[in-house]
Amino acid sequence: AQKVTQAQTEISVVEKEDVTLDCVYETRDTTYYLFWYKQPPSGELVFLIRRNSFDEQNEISGRYSWNFQKSTSSFNFTITASQVVDSAVYFCALNIKNSGGSNYKLTFGKGTLLTVNP
Amino acid sequence: DAGITQSPRHKVTETGTPVTLRCHQTENHRYMYWYRQDPGHGLRLIHYSYGVKDTDKGEVSDGYSVSRSKTEDFLLTLESATSSQTSVYFCAISDWQGKGYTFGSGTRLTVV
Repeated sequence: AQKVTQAQTEISVVEKEDVTLDCVYETRDTTYYLFWYKQPPSGELVFLIRRNSFDEQNEISGRYSWNFQKSTSSFNFTITASQVVDSAVYFCALNIKNSGGSNYKLTFGKGTLLTVNP
Repeated sequence: DAGITQSPRHKVTETGTPVTLRCHQTENHRYMYWYRQDPGHGLRLIHYSYGVKDTDKGEVSDGYSVSRSKTEDFLLTLESATSSQTSVYFCAISDWQGKGYTFGSGTRLTVV
């Protein structure tokens, strides 16, 4: 099976706390891409990061950081010093080939609703 | 500015009526996708297209059909809308290797 699991349905934190959103994936492919998207209350999907399966370097972008570990099939997302504006639904997604092996499509986890309280 | 637009943005329709949602892109990308978003389910793939007149089913394709007669347009049709198809529908486009995805703003469809 090829799928993405975000076990945390909802997380609530107080502003300035650090928070980690978990993502575990399953795939038979050796080449794949992982993504994180943010969906604020306004509803649009905002791209945050893409990581390919051959690059296990962690990445930091401002208050955001991502930890990719192939050994545990995880791609976790940490927000440092959270802010109210970080309140959103966050989706992890896996780019996989179809059964014929020729076309790509994006499979999403169910999302984690993050609420940052002042 | 993202090169992808969905229409309409909102629609209310009655059970049993046909509905067509349109996705239009100006990026000349090969791949186009239709997803639906429902609480507790995240985004689920309905259908996708990998070229003009080339389409394939996703995980929740029952009750939906699609057409792509030209590169820039991907239409999603509900032949006979049901209340279970009340959802937010997102279109997405990507380059040929699927490494980058751009999403439309979504269409909120309510079937009463």
